[in-house]
Amino acid sequence: DVKVTQSSRYLVKRTGEKVFLECVQDMDHENMFWYRQDPGLGLRLIYFSYDVKMKEKGDIPEGYSVSREKKERFSLILESASTNQTSMYLCASSRSPTEAFFGQGTRLTVV
Amino acid sequence: GNSVTQMEGPVTLSEEAFLTINCTYTATGYPSLFWYVQYPGEGLQLLLKATKADDKGSNKGFEATYRKETTSFHLEKGSVQVSDSAVYFCALMSSSNTGKLIFGQGTTLQVKP
Repeated sequence: DVKVTQSSRYLVKRTGEKVFLECVQDMDHENMFWYRQDPGLGLRLIYFSYDVKMKEKGDIPEGYSVSREKKERFSLILESASTNQTSMYLCASSRSPTEAFFGQGTRLTVV
Repeated sequence: GNSVTQMEGPVTLSEEAFLTINCTYTATGYPSLFWYVQYPGEGLQLLLKATKADDKGSNKGFEATYRKETTSFHLEKGSVQVSDSAVYFCALMSSSNTGKLIFGQGTTLQVKP
């Protein structure tokens, strides 16, 4: 069974903290993605990666960075968390050009 | 650029009612089209897909047909159940950006007994 695992289901962080969201997939997929989900806005792409050490900006990269040191792991980093980054974060992976598989999501609250 | 537009929700239906959730898209080339479903507290799951014009995707009683002439991929089910209550997302994968999904805003469906 395919698996995309996000390290935390719920996180509460303080404004200004550096936050790491981790995602691991066990399907040997080359593509990995980070989306954020907000009511009424659907899913918006933050960053994606087509290969190890490769990254590309999505639609809303400001305030975020990513790291992909190994094929199976894709990390999202909030350099200095702000309250407007309170959201649900979803990681996904795919093998082009087939469908993407999603993790359970991390609900991040920044206070 | 590429985009997906879904009908506004929430949609509230009685059990066994007919469901339609409208989805239209804007894209260059020949995208693949998807419907994903998100049950409460869970991540997204693929519900069905279609990769070329006139293809019909189907799963769990849900259907959607890829209509290139109207740039649409409407989701339908003949008889909904309470267990179908969820958020439904229409998405496209551009033929020129393989693997990158662009989503609509999602439609919440609530089915009452």
